[in-house]
Amino acid sequence: NAGVTQTPKFQVLKTGQSMTLQCAQDMNHEYMSWYRQDPGMGLRLIHYSVGAGITDQGEVPNGYNVSRSTTEDFPLRLLSAAPSQTSVYFCASSRFGGRTGSDYGYTFGSGTRLTVV
Amino acid sequence: AQTVTQSQPEMSVQEAETVTLSCTYDTSESDYYLFWYKQPPSRQMILVIRQEAYKQQNATENRFSVNFQKAAKSFSLKISDSQLGDAAMYFCAYRSANTGNQFYFGTGTSLTVIP
Repeated sequence: NAGVTQTPKFQVLKTGQSMTLQCAQDMNHEYMSWYRQDPGMGLRLIHYSVGAGITDQGEVPNGYNVSRSTTEDFPLRLLSAAPSQTSVYFCASSRFGGRTGSDYGYTFGSGTRLTVV
Repeated sequence: AQTVTQSQPEMSVQEAETVTLSCTYDTSESDYYLFWYKQPPSRQMILVIRQEAYKQQNATENRFSVNFQKAAKSFSLKISDSQLGDAAMYFCAYRSANTGNQFYFGTGTSLTVIP
């Protein structure tokens, strides 16, 4: 089925370790983004991309890195994990731009629960 | 930046009754979209309903409807005939139609449905 695939679903890291959260979509969406969800704070934007080769920072980019070499993939890298990065991470994609019919909402991945100890 | 405010961290409703979740937002733009997303315990984010700001008619999806008041910058969600499966966290979200695709989310309302 078409959608956004996130892996892994769960991960435990030790402080200082690095890892990559994978995100892939097969809907040919131009726009992809990463959010973190923390209790009482809703979803906060980490990084986003409007197309292959184009990325930009969101509200909380520190400690994270992204790249977009293809339309389909948008991995999120934690460079040196810290306990403050314990969170649930969501990848989301959408068509880019203004009115494109009904297809202007986000499609979310199933999330990754990350614990840094 | 736009802000989205959900002032009710928790709400509860009796099964089969009606409940309204509140959302306000702050923007200087005139063209935008508003959304309600549902997040059940499975963690999956599910689109419930969406509203285009240039449409005056309130959106409706089965038991879910919105009260969109553009001048007041208010976007509440009404759930009629509440069911046990409606228990979830609900997020209100804003997206500009002109300045890219960034979504701004509220902090969420946790809805409990009482049998």
